[in-house]
Amino acid sequence: DAKTTQPPSMDCAEGRAANLPCNHSTISGNEYVYWYRQIHSQGAQYIIHGLKNNETNEMASLIITEDRKSSTLILPHATLRDTAVYYCIVSYGKLTFGQGTILTVHP
Amino acid sequence: GAVVSQHPSWVICKSGTSVKIECRSLDFQATTMFWYRQFPKQSLMLMATSNEGSKATYEQGVEKDKFLINHASLTLSTLTVTSAHPEDSSFYICSAPGLAGGTSQETQYFGPGTRLLVL
Repeated sequence: DAKTTQPPSMDCAEGRAANLPCNHSTISGNEYVYWYRQIHSQGAQYIIHGLKNNETNEMASLIITEDRKSSTLILPHATLRDTAVYYCIVSYGKLTFGQGTILTVHP
Repeated sequence: GAVVSQHPSWVICKSGTSVKIECRSLDFQATTMFWYRQFPKQSLMLMATSNEGSKATYEQGVEKDKFLINHASLTLSTLTVTSAHPEDSSFYICSAPGLAGGTSQETQYFGPGTRLLVL
């Protein structure tokens, strides 16, 4: 699986958009970009995934660059409950978790 | 989305005993399930792939005789930590592939995890 690079931590004010970047410069053609998050002491939660096109669901939006070498997860209106570790994974099959980004949403 | 449960949610045991952790897909069938281990302040590490009707596939460095996996049915996989020792204390999480909501594409759905403490 291709490796990803994420900033170790980010802060966001409650109610504002949280934009979490991810670099995956060695992604191969059939690998999807997945985003998961883990709230403290819980299992991981699926957020969104995409292949080439931008995607949006009830939780977030995923913006993938045209060359697919990077992506951004957007939480449009962050709440305190969005404080978690966010993992960007590129994969076709098994998921390999990196260190992720610790997102802290503050009042 | 699909729901995956784990039982127990936490367990404390004495060194040398065996502990069984169950992972169930509640509203869908899964021929494959995955087991992860997570130490404090570290990321999830894939331990093994559980295959219904056949042997599990273990990741490099994971002892198959130590971590016994049985995929008994299309909705149940069990992980048994045999002769547990304090260094096996960890957070164990399972996942199962299911269809992402409203799409025909698969993603992984994770259980809530089982915290194991070996004294």
